[in-house]
Amino acid sequence: NAGVMQNPRHLVRRRGQEARLRCSPMKGHSHVYWYRQLPEEGLKFMVYLQKENIIDESGMPKERFSAEFPKEGPSILRIQQVVRGDSAAYFCASSLGRHWEMNYGYTFGSGTRLTVV
Amino acid sequence: DQQVKQNSPSLSVQEGRISILNCDYTNSMFDYFLWYKKYPAEGPTFLISISSIKDKNEDGRFTVFLNKSAKHLSLHIVPSQPGDSAVYFCAASAVGNQFYFGTGTSLTVIP
Repeated sequence: NAGVMQNPRHLVRRRGQEARLRCSPMKGHSHVYWYRQLPEEGLKFMVYLQKENIIDESGMPKERFSAEFPKEGPSILRIQQVVRGDSAAYFCASSLGRHWEMNYGYTFGSGTRLTVV
Repeated sequence: DQQVKQNSPSLSVQEGRISILNCDYTNSMFDYFLWYKKYPAEGPTFLISISSIKDKNEDGRFTVFLNKSAKHLSLHIVPSQPGDSAVYFCAASAVGNQFYFGTGTSLTVIP
C-alpha cells in the first residue's frame, strides 16, 4: 500500500524553463493538496484539487503556476518560466475526504526539491 | 520505510500542564528538523524548527529538543492550552534531500 508518491525528488531547472512536479495520491484517495515550503519558512498551502476539479487555489501565485488532477494519472503542478524565487520544496498530500474533515487521514508525500539556477 | 516515527498516535493533557510530543528518526544524515501543527479545518502550519548544530530551540511556549546520539526529537508545550489541540507532525531532512514526515500525534488539551 504505497503512500503518496511524488517525483522527481529533486529537480534542477535553469531560469526560464518549465518545471513539472507529479503527485500520485494514496490508493483510494481522491483529494490532493499541494504545499510549498520556501527556505526558512513553513509549509504554505497552494491548491486543493479533486479529480478533474480545482476546489481551492487561493494559495497559488496568479501567474506561471497551474495545477491539474486529471481523471487518469497523477496530479501535476506546473511552473512556467521558473525564477530563482521558485526554489523551494513542494509537497503534495492526499486524503479520502476533504481536509477539513478530521475523520479523514491526511498523508504527505516526501516532496520535490526544486532548485532554479 | 518510515525514517521518521511518531509512535504515539494520540496524547491527552490537562490544560496548564506540559505536553511532550516525541519523534524518532533512523537516518543519521538528517540535519534539519521541523514540527508542524494541523487543525482539522486547516492545512499544516509550521511551528518550530531546529538544526543539528543545536540541541534546543525555544519559541514562546514551544521548545524543541534534539538528542542526536539517540536520534530523538521532542516538542514541549508549556503551559498547554485548549487551542493547542491539533495533530502535530515532525519532519526531518538531510542536505539536498526531501523532508520525511512522521505520521502525526493528535494532541487533546482538556480544559
